[in-house]
Amino acid sequence: SAVISQKPSRDICQRGTSLTIQCQVDSQVTMMFWYRQQPGQSLTLIATANQGSEATYESGFVIDKFPISRPNLTFSTLTVSNMSPEDSSIYLCSVEGQNYNEQFFGPGTRLTVL
Amino acid sequence: GQNIDQPTEMTATEGAIVQINCTYQTSGFNGLFWYQQHAGEAPTFLSYNVLDGLEEKGRFSSFLSRSKGYSYLLLKELQMKDSASYLCAAFSGAGSYQLTFGKGTKLSVIP
Repeated sequence: SAVISQKPSRDICQRGTSLTIQCQVDSQVTMMFWYRQQPGQSLTLIATANQGSEATYESGFVIDKFPISRPNLTFSTLTVSNMSPEDSSIYLCSVEGQNYNEQFFGPGTRLTVL
Repeated sequence: GQNIDQPTEMTATEGAIVQINCTYQTSGFNGLFWYQQHAGEAPTFLSYNVLDGLEEKGRFSSFLSRSKGYSYLLLKELQMKDSASYLCAAFSGAGSYQLTFGKGTKLSVIP
């Protein structure tokens, strides 16, 4: 299984500011995914990030609000822009495993917006 | 569209058996995942069913019926550490790696 780390693990931010979350994987992966888990809710896919191409966003999520970078096969960033208290959530990155039917999650970034 | 239903909460006794059900209606379906998520932690992979039937893995088993859009996770010999949320997720396949998650079932194991 892949080992995934995220930075920061948690942060408290002011309304109107932006936060960039980093995701690092210990092996090269083609596809990385960014999820959001709001309090008491399940995971919702924000976007899929492939190296060398623009991220594909799910319905309800837009690039201006959640810009994503994928500069290489082991790293990705998600920025939460112009934050509001509604953005308070856990943000998780995940990667595909060697078999297409595996998906592994990072430890998550717990974001609180005041 | 995608719709996945599972009970919100369940309580079971240590040493007992519990079955967590999941029904799904998805526009594309390739398989069904079960994840365990302890409070404040990331989900961890439990099982993946593609074919109909029961797959056993130690104390945990998972069942899938594609024709009925139904799956369950069976936990035997419950331990206190099994208290967690259990998430079922449908995998659409067909070139997409998208997982659609249910809201999760919070399982409380009591002595």
